[in-house]
Amino acid sequence: GDSVTQTEGQVTVSESKSLIINCTYSATSIAYPNLFWYVRYPGEGLQLLLKVITAGQKGSSRGFEATYNKETTSFHLQKASVQESDSAVYYCALSGGNMGYKLTFGTGTSLLVDP
Amino acid sequence: DMKVTQMPRYLIKRMGENVLLECGQDMSHETMYWYRQDPGLGLQLIYISYDVDSNSEGDIPKGYRVSRKKREHFSLILDSAKTNQTSVYFCASSVIGAGGDEQYFGPGTRLTVL
Repeated sequence: GDSVTQTEGQVTVSESKSLIINCTYSATSIAYPNLFWYVRYPGEGLQLLLKVITAGQKGSSRGFEATYNKETTSFHLQKASVQESDSAVYYCALSGGNMGYKLTFGTGTSLLVDP
Repeated sequence: DMKVTQMPRYLIKRMGENVLLECGQDMSHETMYWYRQDPGLGLQLIYISYDVDSNSEGDIPKGYRVSRKKREHFSLILDSAKTNQTSVYFCASSVIGAGGDEQYFGPGTRLTVL
């Protein structure tokens, strides 16, 4: 079936340093999945951070960016300079094809930014 | 203000008791979802509702049922709760059509079954 893999369960980064959170996907039933990053701040629900539906394109929001790489089946999340307010759990997800609107999520990466 | 609400936020029940989790949204979204999340796992889809009284099983429906009698309200019911249903439950909603896979989530309900 389709799946999303986030290898890091927890990441700690010092404020103003760069960040990369890894995401790879396997979409055996979907030729061109839509790819997402969702974020969950403490005490809140998940909220969409960015979405990319076309391979080769880059999405960006709030200083974060991710590029849809079909060759490496990756959608890594990057930020050049993190802030303490970026501390949250980040989820990579995919959808599309005959799954309709169903989202398949990765396990999430908890980001802690040290002030 | 686009919002998905969930009640209660925290719940402790004994094995065999019935559980009702409630979800509301103020965006008139047709599609609503119930997920659960366990440690080390991604969110798993329990049920999806395409509109009032139009519900479909997700990936892990066993032990759950749902009710949607109004577009803005979607309930998850556990008849005779089991300890392995201890989890965090998220409700979500989305529009039909373009962008329909962009989901709006509630804050979650942490359910403990003793």
